[in-house]
Amino acid sequence: NAGVMQNPRHLVRRRGQEARLRCSPMKGHSHVYWYRQLPEEGLKFMVYLQKENIIDESGMPKERFSAEFPKEGPSILRIQQVVRGDSAAYFCASSPTGAADGYTFGSGTRLTVV
Amino acid sequence: AQKITQTQPGMFVQEKEAVTLDCTYDTSDPSYGLFWYKQPSSGEMIFLIYQGSYDQQNATEGRYSLNFQKARKSANLVISASQLGDSAMYFCAMRERGRSGGYQKVTFGIGTKLQVIP
Repeated sequence: NAGVMQNPRHLVRRRGQEARLRCSPMKGHSHVYWYRQLPEEGLKFMVYLQKENIIDESGMPKERFSAEFPKEGPSILRIQQVVRGDSAAYFCASSPTGAADGYTFGSGTRLTVV
Repeated sequence: AQKITQTQPGMFVQEKEAVTLDCTYDTSDPSYGLFWYKQPSSGEMIFLIYQGSYDQQNATEGRYSLNFQKARKSANLVISASQLGDSAMYFCAMRERGRSGGYQKVTFGIGTKLQVIP
């Protein structure tokens, strides 16, 4: 019974490249949330998705960032033309319903932009 | 405005002693939930304890208990009999309604770094 799987665990990108972060929710979970944790800070909400729908993207930067959760396959957080300030840990959480009580976090992807 | 406030950037506690990590919150929603998470140096987020706003009793999970004072809007975490493995960052968090209703977002505080001294 795998938990929330995030890959890669560590990702290094040069400035200007694209970063793709993957999140496979727990079995039976159709709600996915992405959070970003900058160094020495707490987690900040980015986006909430259900299968094939973005429900709330109020925490996503307006440019360069996008997220999807297709009918089949993992949820993807995509960052285009990365900059040094994008270096952070990106966490995905999933839940079986829209309620946050059942949140389960993945281990995170640590993005380093060089 | 800060929704979750953790005023202790760092705390020290002697092994086997109890420690209280402070958390205050701000919401106008009568129905909410409060969480504590632990983040060790390895980086993963570990769920510790949950308290619903309508729960009559304070939540407890093993050595963790949540001192919930609704009128003061505080939800302090108490760790009893501290162990060396408790050294980590601790985050208080609150679930709140998202834009389309339902409990969709969890807002985190900035965390408290706890160090347990042998």
